[in-house]
Amino acid sequence: QITLKESGPTLVKPTQTLTLTCTFSGFSLSASGVGVGWVRQPPGKALEWLALIYWDDDKRYSPSLKSRLTITKDTSKNQVVLTMTNMDPVDTATYYCAHRPVAAAAQFDFWGQGTLVTVSS
Amino acid sequence: QSALTQPASVSGSPGQSITISCTGTSSDVGGYNYVSWYQQHPDKAPKLMIYDVTKRPSGVSNRFSGSKSGNTASLTISGLQAEDEADYYCCSYGGFSTSYVFGTGTKVTVL
Repeated sequence: QITLKESGPTLVKPTQTLTLTCTFSGFSLSASGVGVGWVRQPPGKALEWLALIYWDDDKRYSPSLKSRLTITKDTSKNQVVLTMTNMDPVDTATYYCAHRPVAAAAQFDFWGQGTLVTVSS
Repeated sequence: QSALTQPASVSGSPGQSITISCTGTSSDVGGYNYVSWYQQHPDKAPKLMIYDVTKRPSGVSNRFSGSKSGNTASLTISGLQAEDEADYYCCSYGGFSTSYVFGTGTKVTVL
């Protein structure tokens, strides 16, 4: 059974760096073809894809946020970490991590419950 | 990288069929057979309903079906039920640099 759970601060100040951790179980991020992605959703708004890391450490970022994002993995801890720099109130959102299955594209089959991050001074 | 365009809302009566469109470009929806659809109930995480344009994950009702024509993908819900009332999002692969793009979202109301 695949599960994912996001953790991190619920409140960050403008200009600070956000660090979120996705802890997962039920799969290995060293298995060929697997990926873990991050998606966010501002209150009352649409989903937005942020970043994806693959089993081979290949990384993909949203072009509009690429300069602010870094995604890394710790296979031994079953964790993926997303950092976002220079946070702004418009970055207030629920942040989800999700499992991308083997040989899939635009497909996230298991999601975490999400964590709400508020950016405010 | 622009979000895919979906109608803001679609409604139907129980038992009816509804279709939600998802319009992109030749660089995303039209260029790949990699479109997925997600259902999201209030305060819940998204749930995968359709992937690779037409495929259904195990456990998803066969009342949900997907299709694509040119730069527009569609999700059809047949035999509409009260539990289908939710927000629906499409997602497309957008190539090496863009990777993924979501739609603007559609609120489905069961009358």
